[in-house]
Amino acid sequence: AQTVTQSQPEMSVQEAETVTLSCTYDTSESDYYLFWYKQPPSRQMILVIRQEAYKQQNATENRFSVNFQKAAKSFSLKISDSQLGDAAMYFCAYFHSSNTGKLIFGQGTTLQVKP
Amino acid sequence: ETGVTQTPRHLVMGMTNKKSLKCEQHLGHNAMYWYKQSAKKPLELMFVYSLEERVENNSVPSRFSPECPNSSHLFLHLHTLQPEDSALYLCASSPSRDLSSYEQYFGPGTRLTVT
Repeated sequence: AQTVTQSQPEMSVQEAETVTLSCTYDTSESDYYLFWYKQPPSRQMILVIRQEAYKQQNATENRFSVNFQKAAKSFSLKISDSQLGDAAMYFCAYFHSSNTGKLIFGQGTTLQVKP
Repeated sequence: ETGVTQTPRHLVMGMTNKKSLKCEQHLGHNAMYWYKQSAKKPLELMFVYSLEERVENNSVPSRFSPECPNSSHLFLHLHTLQPEDSALYLCASSPSRDLSSYEQYFGPGTRLTVT
């Protein structure tokens, strides 16, 4: 069975500093997708960044980047120059096309940004 | 309106009540999803519809009854709920009819409290 684990229920970072959120997953598939979603207090879940497993290069979106370690089944999110608006719950998620469209989510990490 | 909308945003109901949650997507997508988000737990997929046909039901109790009259609307009918059903219910939509697309767009959710 495919699973996603986020071992950090809560994290905090000082404004303008860098923080890394951890995620591990388990799958026997070789071609899949991994995501980080952000859910601010307003609750609309939005996609932050996506990584295709067949790509060796780590995905980057502005201040957000990932460290994808396929062999270790690790997928961490790095937020650089943290801003107050980054405060939210972050979910790591896994997708494989055989799962009838199902995204498998981790438990989430609540990120607090301190001014 | 754009994106995925959900109504109501908040709902309080007694265990003997009957109520419905509504989701509407304005993206021209072909698949729609209901997720349950409980505190400190991963998002749980409840139902998946593709072109108004239910393709997955993740062992959800019969007190939750989905309805998808067309590809733009999705309902979740609730009756005789239990207090443990209190949660945030999220709707999502996805472009592809064969559920091979990883892109899912989420609504803001309905916060349900069962008293």
